[in-house]
Amino acid sequence: YELTQPPSVSVSPGQTARITCSGDTLPKQYAFWYQQKPGQAPVLVIYKDTERPSGIPERFSGSSSGTTVTLTISGVQAEDEADYYCQSADSSGTYWAFGGGTKLSVL
Amino acid sequence: EVQLVESGGGLVQPGGSLRLSCAASGFTFTKLWMSWVRQAPGKGLAWVANIKQDGSEKYYVDSVKGRFTISGDNAKNSVFLQMNSLRAEDTAVYYCTMGMEAGSFDMWGQGTMVTVSS
Repeated sequence: YELTQPPSVSVSPGQTARITCSGDTLPKQYAFWYQQKPGQAPVLVIYKDTERPSGIPERFSGSSSGTTVTLTISGVQAEDEADYYCQSADSSGTYWAFGGGTKLSVL
Repeated sequence: EVQLVESGGGLVQPGGSLRLSCAASGFTFTKLWMSWVRQAPGKGLAWVANIKQDGSEKYYVDSVKGRFTISGDNAKNSVFLQMNSLRAEDTAVYYCTMGMEAGSFDMWGQGTMVTVSS
């Protein structure tokens, strides 16, 4: 089971960054998004496609359409520069995969 | 404060064994899912195994089936990963995670490094 993300996305501060993730079972399985900064453990930023955990800034949002889910960061800040991973389950719901990760650069 | 603390990593020869531990604090351990996720040097995240806290369900990625065993001790708020027949490709930082559902990794520990090399 595979989830496909673009290797990199670049934006200027204040712009909107969109990171996509594609997978065959995304119409039926929830997607989750994680942020990982260098040398740190990942942090959950979006769960169940669109929900934002407490403590995560409102500029982070998630959406879903067919076999693609999207993490949107509005008004990107320098501190948002990180690797972002999507994650979901296969059709059986007993195998979980991560996308290859997207490096967000804030120019 | 909710916290997950891993231990037990280190250097081991190919074919050897290690037992990773994860101690949880600051939350009720029951009715949760605990998982291990690893990250090879310079690579992405990869799910390894997870366990429902009552022990009724356990799942593994194919590459570790028959070699790794996940277990839990609710009395000690701990989860373990017994790793046998280790291979060079098992070299990674191993993260302990907690989630409300099987495939939800809501909270992460800081990780423990496992190096398999002769």
